Amino acid sequence: GAGVSQSPRYKVAKRGQDVALRCDPISGHVSLFWYQQALGQGPEFLTYFQNEAQLDKSGLPSDRFFAERPEGSVSTLKIQRTQQEDSAVYLCATRTGTSGGSDTQYFGPGTRLTVL
Amino acid sequence: GESVGLHLPTLSVQEGDNSIINCAYSNSASDYFIWYKQESGKGPQFIIDIRSNMDKRQGQRVTVLLNKTVKHLSLQIAATQPGDSAVYFCAEKDSNYQLIWGAGTKLIIKP
Repeated sequence: GAGVSQSPRYKVAKRGQDVALRCDPISGHVSLFWYQQALGQGPEFLTYFQNEAQLDKSGLPSDRFFAERPEGSVSTLKIQRTQQEDSAVYLCATRTGTSGGSDTQYFGPGTRLTVL
Repeated sequence: GESVGLHLPTLSVQEGDNSIINCAYSNSASDYFIWYKQESGKGPQFIIDIRSNMDKRQGQRVTVLLNKTVKHLSLQIAATQPGDSAVYFCAEKDSNYQLIWGAGTKLIIKP
């Protein structure tokens, strides 16, 4: 596809359930980012991958959050034992290269997670 | 910590007029700034960027101005159209990959 895609677009989970959110990056993009966005706010950084390596996970709010990108392409953000405060839009963004390349991040449409 | 912020949370503009959205940043070491547009239910869409060695950059109907002296960034949209209605975010790059975002300005176009 031409852009970053995410699935599902909407997810409703009962508190305590585990969820998995998928990101399909732009083909060939080395860098991949996950963000959490609350209503009316800017995206908050969660984690960063360069190929399959997770170089920064400092933004993950708790150990219930886990992200992987095993083959350096598709990435999955997993949230275990979801809580109501996890309700947000989860955005994935990708970038062509590493720090020496283009800095522009291209975003997917996001997954809106609602925890009841 | 360092932060990027916006002066106005909502901006109403008459269709056809020019829009100016402002942003203040606090990290003088930032070397890259971006404006994104986010429509309801969509992810942020790249509009235009500027590096710290420039003070102005123009795109199609958009211009970004950077004033490093007062740490101020602005986005100018010429001849605003209904399709420009969205929330606009400025962001700065504070390291080799992280973006720091402001809270956003909602642009409303009046017919």
